[in-house]
Amino acid sequence: EPEVTQTPSHQVTQMGQEVILRCVPISNHLYFYWYRQILGQKVEFLVSFYNNEISEKSEIFDDQFSVERPDGSNFTLKIRSTKLEDSAMYFCASSESRGNGYTFGSGTRLTVV
Amino acid sequence: GESVGLHLPTLSVQEGDNSIINCAYSNSASDYFIWYKQESGKGPQFIIDIRSNMDKRQGQRVTVLLNKTVKHLSLQIAATQPGDSAVYFCAENMDSNTGKLIFGQGTTLQVKP
Repeated sequence: EPEVTQTPSHQVTQMGQEVILRCVPISNHLYFYWYRQILGQKVEFLVSFYNNEISEKSEIFDDQFSVERPDGSNFTLKIRSTKLEDSAMYFCASSESRGNGYTFGSGTRLTVV
Repeated sequence: GESVGLHLPTLSVQEGDNSIINCAYSNSASDYFIWYKQESGKGPQFIIDIRSNMDKRQGQRVTVLLNKTVKHLSLQIAATQPGDSAVYFCAENMDSNTGKLIFGQGTTLQVKP
């Protein structure tokens, strides 16, 4: 069964440093998403991406965040200057069509120290 | 407002019993709903979905019921097994143009052998 692959599985970074979280969506999917989950809390939407541009972003997704699809297979989330409160699980997802058939990756656990 | 909530934080059942996990959603305009299962350290795993033009959908051992009148969603798991132990989230798609999902808080299902 096709999978969404995320790397690394765990990233530890110092406050103020830049991090890039990487995702390889399912190959025939056209819609890409990032979500995050703070420990013990619900999954929160960050951003959706289609046709090489952001289609929607949440209030969490401020100027410190950016997304990119640098080639035909990768989808990245960059946090420019990490804060302690950015510590969370970050999930990438992709779908074949809008709002349908989501598949989530296993996540990257980001720990900011 | 934008919220999807769950009625019970933890549900404990005996192996072999049926489980019912409930969810309330607040936006009557939502037209697509998904149930996810999340095991510890993993990403959300798709279980079953339902569109707003349906009130019931069945899968293998799972049934989702949608009551649009009271904005209520439920997941029924038949013959619950130890492997069903996980956190279950409902999610709603409020804007099919972007595919954004709003998640509920989650219900922990504990299956006792």
